[in-house]
Amino acid sequence: NAGVTQTPKFQVLKTGQSMTLQCAQDMNHEYMSWYRQDPGMGLRLIHYSVGAGITDQGEVPNGYNVSRSTTEDFPLRLLSAAPSQTSVYFCASSLRPRETQYFGPGTRLLVL
Amino acid sequence: ILNVEQSPQSLHVQEGDSTNFTCSFPSSNFYALHWYRWETAKSPKALFVMTLNGDEKKKGRISATLNTKEGYSYLYIKGSQPEDSATYLCASFITGTASKLTFGTGTRLQVTL
Repeated sequence: NAGVTQTPKFQVLKTGQSMTLQCAQDMNHEYMSWYRQDPGMGLRLIHYSVGAGITDQGEVPNGYNVSRSTTEDFPLRLLSAAPSQTSVYFCASSLRPRETQYFGPGTRLLVL
Repeated sequence: ILNVEQSPQSLHVQEGDSTNFTCSFPSSNFYALHWYRWETAKSPKALFVMTLNGDEKKKGRISATLNTKEGYSYLYIKGSQPEDSATYLCASFITGTASKLTFGTGTRLQVTL
């Protein structure tokens, strides 16, 4: 099993550009989520999904969109990048939201 | 307590010292408490998931306890080693919170020789 994979590992964007961060898991997990990590703020939940076709907002959803067309994939879209979105983004999955979360390796995003 | 809080924010100990950290969480509608170990430049890895009041879990030199009535969990590291240096995160899952974990900001542990 590859576990949770994320691409790209690192990305530089200009303000206003859009991009999609990819996340995939091969563990047949129903629950997937996106977090951002900022200094002194721990992990903050952006969006999550409890299964294919179902998504919901987390703590900091503004400026991000998600979709879940398959169990395996949960892409995160930045619609119009802003410097405030400079962060490290982690995708995680689990069988159920209350169970152990498996994290991907992270995507480091720099918005200029 | 409305949020998940961890203390101390950071800790610096010498090799061989034993140490412990605290995680405080809302006790109402509690379902599960998670601990994760997060090394620099890597992703968080699960240590424990605990659900029952009085639960104790152990993995090598690391152990954790849970008090769901008063809303706290302790993580203990016995005989700290430099490889224990990491940020330790806790997260709570509460029923009725729309299926999401709430993370604390972590305790950063540095162990020196």
